[in-house]
Amino acid sequence: DAGVTQSPTHLIKTRGQHVTLRCSPISGHKSVSWYQQVLGQGPQFIFQYYEKEERGRGNFPDRFSARQFPNYSSELNVNALLLGDSALYLCASSDTTSGGAVSEFFGPGTRLTVL
Amino acid sequence: AQKVTQAQTEISVVEKEDVTLDCVYETRDTTYYLFWYKQPPSGELVFLIRRNSFDEQNEISGRYSWNFQKSTSSFNFTITASQVVDSAVYFCALRGSWSNDYKLSFGAGTTVTVRA
Repeated sequence: DAGVTQSPTHLIKTRGQHVTLRCSPISGHKSVSWYQQVLGQGPQFIFQYYEKEERGRGNFPDRFSARQFPNYSSELNVNALLLGDSALYLCASSDTTSGGAVSEFFGPGTRLTVL
Repeated sequence: AQKVTQAQTEISVVEKEDVTLDCVYETRDTTYYLFWYKQPPSGELVFLIRRNSFDEQNEISGRYSWNFQKSTSSFNFTITASQVVDSAVYFCALRGSWSNDYKLSFGAGTTVTVRA
């Protein structure tokens, strides 16, 4: 079975631009989470979606938004890019039927560079 | 608030040595879940183990073992007989049970380098 897939792998943008990152969860998983990992740090939670609804949001500005589609894939959008948005963006999917005990499985990430 | 601290920034060992990674956590939840993830140079986070707060039994899985001690809020992870392929960044993570978003709170990571 395919794991979590993300596209694109790498992306270079300039300040002020907009970016859309995409994620496809593991088949059968209905929950998708997004994390930002700045170089040298641990991942930071951005969003979680379950059944197309936002379940949680981390401490990120409104420039960050996301959505989940009927096939459970997801997009992360970032507007008005700043240099500080340069990071590895990780998508994770999970089967939430076991509540908080779920294990999240991560994709390979999208490396975003803002110049 | 939840917090995970990995005091070791980097560890370097020679192949076949054991490696123990320290993790200390803070949470107000009475039920919570602890995880270890591995991040090789490729960047993908690989799930290794999960532990529930109500189960303090320590286990061994292949070359991996973990020591969960609720009294000291520690969740240490050991790689026995390390191999070069174990070289990666290892993250300890925590999930509480009081919110519905199931978010993971990660530590800063420990870089493990295994030399041949």
